Amino acid sequence: SQQGEEDPQALSIQEGENATMNCSYKTSINNLQWYRQNSGRGLVHLILIRSNEREKHSGRLRVTLDTSKKSSSLLITASRAADTASYFCATDDTNAGKSTFGDGTTLTVKP
Amino acid sequence: DARVTQTPRHKVTEMGQEVTMRCQPILGHNTVFWYRQTMMQGLELLAYFRNRAPLDDSGMPKDRFSAEMPDATLATLKIQPSEPRDSAVYFCASGNLRQGSLNQPQHFGDGTRLSIL
Repeated sequence: SQQGEEDPQALSIQEGENATMNCSYKTSINNLQWYRQNSGRGLVHLILIRSNEREKHSGRLRVTLDTSKKSSSLLITASRAADTASYFCATDDTNAGKSTFGDGTTLTVKP
Repeated sequence: DARVTQTPRHKVTEMGQEVTMRCQPILGHNTVFWYRQTMMQGLELLAYFRNRAPLDDSGMPKDRFSAEMPDATLATLKIQPSEPRDSAVYFCASGNLRQGSLNQPQHFGDGTRLSIL
């Protein structure tokens, strides 16, 4: 099964609301990354959080990491219609030596 | 902005045909990845190269798939013979990653949408 699993699979909110997506993983990691994918396009890197960090901010994005629970969350504040996309977490598996992507959360922001 | 370029963007062909997908990584990046994305399996890592040397191709069906980097500006993924189950979007990504580390962003191309009839 995938190393990273996002929750929920799909999320629909109104513009201006906050969106929270969660990622759980199974093994030890060096870092965790979040990516966004617009329909028909490649993934775009959003933010990287290292295993010794607990929280990181980038603009309207806030990422938390809890290594004891093997989980991470991505919060998008004051969402916009343009935030509509799929969001993926990717974990850097120390044992496997490669990144593994989750199945993604599909976010729809209604104008 | 520098971008990863993939060609073709779309490919429709009949089963049994050879398919070649190409990727031009971002200049200066030392690591190139090939992924396959489907609704059922999500995003799967097929193979990756560092400094043009193959490091891991365990995710790739060896009997019909092959990945190469003839030079630093070109990576190729070939399927021969192709089968309907190979229908997917194939992504190439590149990054500047240190040995034994995956702590830098991967930059993705927009993919090749492959349909095998």
